[in-house]
Parts: sequence; C-alpha cells; structure tokens
Amino acid sequence: DQQVKQNSPSLSVQEGRISILNCDYTNSMFDYFLWYKKYPAEGPTFLISISSIKDKNEDGRFTVFLNKSAKHLSLHIVPSQPGDSAVYFCAASAGYGGSQGNLIFGKGTKLSVKP
Amino acid sequence: GAVVSQHPSWVICKSGTSVKIECRSLDFQATTMFWYRQFPKQSLMLMATSNEGSKATYEQGVEKDKFLINHASLTLSTLTVTSAHPEDSSFYICSARAVDGFDYEQYFGPGTRLTVT
Repeated sequence: DQQVKQNSPSLSVQEGRISILNCDYTNSMFDYFLWYKKYPAEGPTFLISISSIKDKNEDGRFTVFLNKSAKHLSLHIVPSQPGDSAVYFCAASAGYGGSQGNLIFGKGTKLSVKP
Repeated sequence: GAVVSQHPSWVICKSGTSVKIECRSLDFQATTMFWYRQFPKQSLMLMATSNEGSKATYEQGVEKDKFLINHASLTLSTLTVTSAHPEDSSFYICSARAVDGFDYEQYFGPGTRLTVT
C-alpha cells in the first residue's frame, strides 16, 4: 500500500513556464514533507520542505504548497529552466526530528523542461 | 557543507561473493544513517536505519543476515551484501542525518551501482 503517491510519472514543460508536480499521501500521521531532485545514477538532492503546521513554503523559484485536508502537496517551479530536468521525489515523514522519523518516498515524477 | 560520500560508486561482482559499500559523512557527524535501494524506474525503498553504536533496524522484507549494516562511528556506516545474487543488482544509496541542532535533513550520498554476474 503506497502511502505517498506521485501519480504522474512524467511531465513536460516549456522553458520559462511553470512546472507543477503533485503528490498525495494517505497517512494522516505524516507531519513533515520534502521534495528531492534526482539525476540518473546520483543520490537525491534536497530541494525544499514543509511542516504540517504551514501551508506554503517558498525558496527562490521553488514553492511547496500543502493542503492537509486533501492530503495533497505540490511543488511549483517558476520559471522552469532546462537544468530543472530531473526526477522529483516527494517524501513524507511522521515525527521527522525523532529517532524513527523515516522518509517514505513516492515513485517520482520525471520533469523535462524543453528550451 | 553536509556532504555524504559513498565508495565504491560502482562495483561488479560474481554471484556468491560479498561486497562492502561505505557511506561517509564528510563534514558533519551523523547519529543516524539510512540505506536505500532503488530499482529502475521505481522509488527509493528504505532498507534499514542505523544508529551509531547500536544494531540497525531493518524494514520488513529485508534480510538482515544478507544485508549487514555496521555504523561504527559518527561518520561511517557500511553495508555488506553477503553471498550476492543477480537479483541483488541495484542502485544502493545511503543518507545521513546530522547529530543535533535544527538540521534534521537527510543528506544523500551519490549512490553505488552494484551488478552481480
């Protein structure tokens, strides 16, 4: 049973436009959410995170929105750049700062930004 | 800062042999390190969580006798794949979490590609 779902395996966006990557979760105990970017044959790189006490967190071109009632979060990238082309993983955790706050990953969405 | 390295980056071994993968936090101390496995076009699957000085906690379905994890210091964890088989071929990624402060983020290593022939 997938607790973190990324239903779109791929997304193609024109350079300069907005990229919106979506993530849904089922576990209401999750209280911390993260987005990672991953290139082939490399480890994931942390992008941005959000605590469940917030509904928005912004860092430069990246903004994460959290809708707790819908158990949904999204990552917005504006403007999209060709270098953003990668696989983006959504991850969630319950009690992240604690000793057992393991991350549960979605399957990822491959973003392609075309020049 | 917060760099995690893995060695080797790729390894090819024969079926039945054992392979050790090292994960090091280079510029911070990590009380907790995680080992993940990724199959092609699939998500990262947590294999085990290791805390420095104690036994690793394995996820359901992961054979602890096959995937030996040692977290001997605050900067080093090792994963040994014993008696490797072709189905163990995968991309193994470690991550490390800092000791204290508000830095709860996990920092990932670059991964190790294991191919068992």
